[in-house]
Parts: sequence; structure tokens; C-alpha cells
Amino acid sequence: GQQLNQSPQSMFIQEGEDVSMNCTSSSIFNTWLWYKQDPGEGPVLLIALYKAGELTSNGRLTAQFGITRKDSFLNISASIPSDVGIYFCAGRNNAGNMLTFGGGTRLMVKP
Amino acid sequence: DAGVTQSPTHLIKTRGQQVTLRCSPKSGHDTVSWYQQALGQGPQFIFQYYEEEERQRGNFPDRFSGHQFPNYSSELNVNALLLGDSALYLCASSLVRDLSGELFFGEGSRLTVL
Repeated sequence: GQQLNQSPQSMFIQEGEDVSMNCTSSSIFNTWLWYKQDPGEGPVLLIALYKAGELTSNGRLTAQFGITRKDSFLNISASIPSDVGIYFCAGRNNAGNMLTFGGGTRLMVKP
Repeated sequence: DAGVTQSPTHLIKTRGQQVTLRCSPKSGHDTVSWYQQALGQGPQFIFQYYEEEERQRGNFPDRFSGHQFPNYSSELNVNALLLGDSALYLCASSLVRDLSGELFFGEGSRLTVL
């Protein structure tokens, strides 16, 4: 089945630093999404990408949909303590709304 | 505007028992999907319901079944529980005619099987 490899698995950074994480797949996806999950809560959508090569920003977050449609990255600029959490990439193809999730990147920010 | 609500939030069962989890979708949404999230992993798709029928199914055994009611709410049933069924079960809702297909997740039901 489809698998998403997300890296790094965890990051421990200083407040104010920039962060980059990425996701690669063995299969093509038509939509890439990035979610954040806080403890005890469900994932919340951060950014959605619908077109190969698309670069989209949402505040301090920037994400890109890879040209091959098999990868995506998420950047967070000038990290703050509330950025702490687990970030998941997810891919979707045209077969309905089913999402395939990566294993997550746990981000820890030191004030 | 209520978001996705799930119940119960936590529950403990023993092996072999059966469990029912419930989900009310976000107001205006007509499609409900269920995901299983094991500790330290990303969510995995179980199945999706629309118009009271299962439309898509992930790689889960028949012990996992579901239902959608006319008011769009949904239940997830798991029979003959195994220790490996311990996980956070997430419900997500969407609107079928929303081309973005954005999913809104609930906070989940944490199931522990002893």
C-alpha cells in the first residue's frame, strides 16, 4: 500500500529558529496536506496544496507540493513555543477523501 | 457552530469485548470518516460513510464495522477486541460537494484494551 516517509521524526530547536520538515512517497498524490496535532486533540489542518509545484504560505508556515507529486515540505519561520506539537503530512489521490498520513514530526521549542 | 464531537473520550475494555464509538459531524457536513491512530504513529484510514453507506474502506478486518444515521452521525463498532486495537480513534467530517475535500477532525476516543 501507499506509504509516506516523514522526516525528521523529531526536532528540538531554539525559539526563533526556522524549521523544515519533509515528506516523500512511493506513489503520486493529487493533494498534499499538512496537519498539526496537540496532545489530547485531533489533527488540525495547516496548509493544503492542490497543484504540483504549488508554494503556499499561511502566516509563518510555508509548504510546497513537489513537482513529481511524490513529495512535499513544510517550513516554519521564527519558531515560537506554541509551535510545539506533532506535524503530519498527508496525501490524497482522486479515490475519494481517504488520507494517507506520514508518521509525524515531533517539534519541541526551547524558549 | 459545533465542530466534530466524539464520545466517549476515554474507555477501557478487555480482550474479546465489543466497543461502540460515536461521532457527530460538523454542522452542515454529510460525510464521516474514521481513522485509527496508534501511539506514536500517524492516523490510518478505517472507512468512510456517505448517504448511510460505506463508500471506501482501508486495510482493516471485518471486526471493524460502522454505521451512518440519517442525521449524518456515525458509529464505529469493533468486535472481539485485541490488545492491538488500543489506539486513539478519530472521526473526521467533510462535505461531499466541497471540492477541497477538507476534513475536520474530532478530539478522538482513546480506547485501551487490557
